Amino acid sequence: DQQVKQNSPSLSVQEGRISILNCDYTNSMFDYFLWYKKYPAEGPTFLISISSIKDKNEDGRFTVFLNKSAKHLSLHIVPSQPGDSAVYFCAAWSSGTYKYIFGTGTRLKVLA
Amino acid sequence: NAGVTQTPKFQVLKTGQSMTLQCAQDMNHNSMYWYRQDPGMGLRLIYYSASEGTTDKGEVPNGYNVSRLNKREFSLRLESAAPSQTSVYFCASSEAMGQSDTQYFGPGTRLTVL
Repeated sequence: DQQVKQNSPSLSVQEGRISILNCDYTNSMFDYFLWYKKYPAEGPTFLISISSIKDKNEDGRFTVFLNKSAKHLSLHIVPSQPGDSAVYFCAAWSSGTYKYIFGTGTRLKVLA
Repeated sequence: NAGVTQTPKFQVLKTGQSMTLQCAQDMNHNSMYWYRQDPGMGLRLIYYSASEGTTDKGEVPNGYNVSRLNKREFSLRLESAAPSQTSVYFCASSEAMGQSDTQYFGPGTRLTVL
């Protein structure tokens, strides 16, 4: 039972346009969320986080939006650059188990 | 400052063979983790060590054992490898096991079990 889902396995976007990556979760106890970015042959690296007390967090070109009522978060990248091509994982913090649950990942390809 | 290092980078085993994946971190972190990544499954937690001297099972511990050798090192052992354990294995570490404690990942070990 996948508690954190990224329903789009892949996404292609033109350079300079907006990339929107989506993540849905089922557990209302999740109260902190992260996005990680992973390049081939490397480990994931932390990108941005958001607490459930907020609905938006911004860091440069990256913005994460949280809709608690819909149990949905999204990562916006504006403008997209070829170097953003990677796999993106969302992760949700479970206050019950004190661990992160990761989504299945979305492969983003930014076309030059 | 190397961060999190893992050895080996690649390994091919035959069914029934054993091996140990090594992980070390130089960030003086208290908590360490082992994950596996499979297509369509994301990252799943195998075992974790909240602090030196403690280890606990994660989501998918069957077929694995771990040792927190000291604060720096956390190894993962496959006693009798099975094809279902073909995966990419990532070690990670964090300052503590809180929600805002960023996990830093190693480069991964790609394991194939024939």
